[in-house]
Amino acid sequence: AQSVTQLGSHVSVSEGALVLLRCNYSSSVPPYLFWYVQYPNQGLQLLLKYTTGATLVKGINGFEAEFKKSETSFHLTKPSAHMSDAAEYFCAVNPSGGSYIPTFGRGTSLIVHP
Amino acid sequence: DVKVTQSSRYLVKRTGEKVFLECVQDMDHENMFWYRQDPGLGLRLIYFSYDVKMKEKGDIPEGYSVSREKKERFSLILESASTNQTSMYLCASSSSAASGANVLTFGAGSRLTVL
Repeated sequence: AQSVTQLGSHVSVSEGALVLLRCNYSSSVPPYLFWYVQYPNQGLQLLLKYTTGATLVKGINGFEAEFKKSETSFHLTKPSAHMSDAAEYFCAVNPSGGSYIPTFGRGTSLIVHP
Repeated sequence: DVKVTQSSRYLVKRTGEKVFLECVQDMDHENMFWYRQDPGLGLRLIYFSYDVKMKEKGDIPEGYSVSREKKERFSLILESASTNQTSMYLCASSSSAASGANVLTFGAGSRLTVL
């Protein structure tokens, strides 16, 4: 079985500051890893995903994440926060070759101050 | 633009009422899911379906049932709504083509309040 831990239910940053949202996972086989974003009153949409290959993955809106197998982490970063980045962010994991049902973390709410 | 459409964005029901939440996708996806989203608890899987007329229980199926008579439509049913079912309900779909690497496409959600 796999699991996902997102450290911090809320992260607060100033506009222009670095964004770092943490995600650690456990999986008995190599994982597929995802970050989804949920803007207010909307469903989730894919931000980026890691399947195989390059461990640094770039997504939409300037976000990127790095798969670190030794640390079982997939942290999400953005160099400079924008007010429009305020949203709920979910990390998800799925074991490769396994089922198509991902396991989601509990989410991190990103608050951006002017 | 591909879509997952949830028929009702906001519903208010009374305790004991039967509630239907409808979800339709236009991507010819094999898999469909119903999640419940509550603050601090993230997304919890209620039921999923990997084919027409097929369904599997998720993590919290109690008090819910589902129906998938057509590939594009997946309905969530609350037989007798209770106040602890007040929540945001999210429908999603995905293709089976790439197994675990498949991305879920979500609907906008249905916010249910049970009084």
